[in-house]
Amino acid sequence: AQTVTQSQPEMSVQEAETVTLSCTYDTSESDYYLFWYKQPPSRQMILVIRQEAYKQQNATENRFSVNFQKAAKSFSLKISDSQLGDAAMYFCAYRSAYSGAGSYQLTFGKGTKLSVIP
Amino acid sequence: KAGVTQTPRYLIKTRGQQVTLSCSPISGHRSVSWYQQTPGQGLQFLFEYFSETQRNKGNFPGRFSGRQFSNSRSEMNVSTLELGDSALYLCASSLEVTGDYGYTFGSGTRLTVV
Repeated sequence: AQTVTQSQPEMSVQEAETVTLSCTYDTSESDYYLFWYKQPPSRQMILVIRQEAYKQQNATENRFSVNFQKAAKSFSLKISDSQLGDAAMYFCAYRSAYSGAGSYQLTFGKGTKLSVIP
Repeated sequence: KAGVTQTPRYLIKTRGQQVTLSCSPISGHRSVSWYQQTPGQGLQFLFEYFSETQRNKGNFPGRFSGRQFSNSRSEMNVSTLELGDSALYLCASSLEVTGDYGYTFGSGTRLTVV
C-alpha cells in the first residue's frame, strides 16, 4: 500500500516571502499522480497543483511550484510571494495510475498547517 | 458553474441512530468519491462511484454504505452511529473515473455523534 508523509505539522512564513512544504511518499509503482490540496477554514479542499510521475518537468501554477524528485520519492510545494490568503492546511496526495492497484482513490498525508504572518 | 454541493453542512446525531449524507457533483461529473476526515486518522477513503456502480470501498465497517443515482448524485449512510464516527465527511467529483486532473471537493458535512 502506498503511504504519504508530511513531516512538518505546522509552518509559518512572512507575507511576501517564500516557503517550501515537504512531502515524501512510498510506492512500488512507476506511474502515478501527485497532488497538493489546500484546505482553508471553509473546509473545501482546493486543488493547488498536480504532477504526473512520467513527466520530468516540475509543475507550476502561478506562485505555486513543485520540486518532484521521483528517485527520492519526494514532492515538495514551494509558495512564492506568500499572501495572507495562503494560510490553510495543505495536503499532499498520491493516486495510482492503475485502477487495478486499488481504484483511483487518493492517499493523503496528514497535512501541514501554514500560517502567514503579516 | 456550481461546485460540489454537500448537504447538510452540520449534523448532530445520537449514538445508535443512523444518518444519510448527500452529495451533488458538478454537472457532467460522473465519478463521486467520499472521504472521512478526523484529527487523528486524517483523510481516509470511504467509497468511489462511477455511473451508479461502486468501484471500490475503503477499510470501513459495513455500517457505512453508499449509492449513486442516475443523475450522479450520491448518498452515504451510516447506521448505528458510534462516537468515533464524528468527523468531516467530504465528497469529491471528477469528470471521468480516473480523476487524472484531480477531484473537485465539496465543503463537507460535519457530523457530531453525542
